[in-house]
Amino acid sequence: GAVVSQHPSWVICKSGTSVKIECRSLDFQATTMFWYRQFPKQSLMLMATSNEGSKATYEQGVEKDKFLINHASLTLSTLTVTSAHPEDSSFYICSAGGRTSGYNEQFFGPGTRLTVL
Amino acid sequence: GDSVTQMEGPVTLSEEAFLTINCTYTATGYPSLFWYVQYPGEGLQLLLKATKADDKGSNKGFEATYRKETTSFHLEKGSVQVSDSAVYFCALGNNAGNMLTFGGGTRLMVKP
Repeated sequence: GAVVSQHPSWVICKSGTSVKIECRSLDFQATTMFWYRQFPKQSLMLMATSNEGSKATYEQGVEKDKFLINHASLTLSTLTVTSAHPEDSSFYICSAGGRTSGYNEQFFGPGTRLTVL
Repeated sequence: GDSVTQMEGPVTLSEEAFLTINCTYTATGYPSLFWYVQYPGEGLQLLLKATKADDKGSNKGFEATYRKETTSFHLEKGSVQVSDSAVYFCALGNNAGNMLTFGGGTRLMVKP
């Protein structure tokens, strides 16, 4: 149980285009999903927290108009990188909040590697 | 605020050596503690967790004990394998359990 998928697993796009990344919780309903960004050889940086049916909460320094997050259902959240530029190239990881053994925890997707040319 | 500090890598060991990766934390209340592993090109996988003081999490030969008195959650394995080569992240979950604070990650390289 507690499986989270991401699609696509990797994407290469031209500068100026928009890219949408999907995050799905496959076997549970996630009221909260998280989006992280990871630069090479660095830790995860939380970008935003999204709750189903409401606007995402962005961390300081993350441009909400650049990184559009939609959490339209309890099993799907999307991150759209708008007008992507080479500096947006990174590894994007989502997680879904769930509950196991009476405790809340996050279940991570496999990540999406974005390369902007 | 909450923070997690873990030893910087890379840690390079020979196969069958003993592994320790130190992790200490600063938090208010009673957080949960986690170790995640990230293999090259992949997302994070939960390795083990502990939800209260003195709990020991264990999985795949790895173990860590939640030490409230020293605010530590050190990861250990008695005999590492080449397949254990990965990046290991220590993380702290807030009281509500819905937010994680990550350490900087420690890269482990195991040589045959």
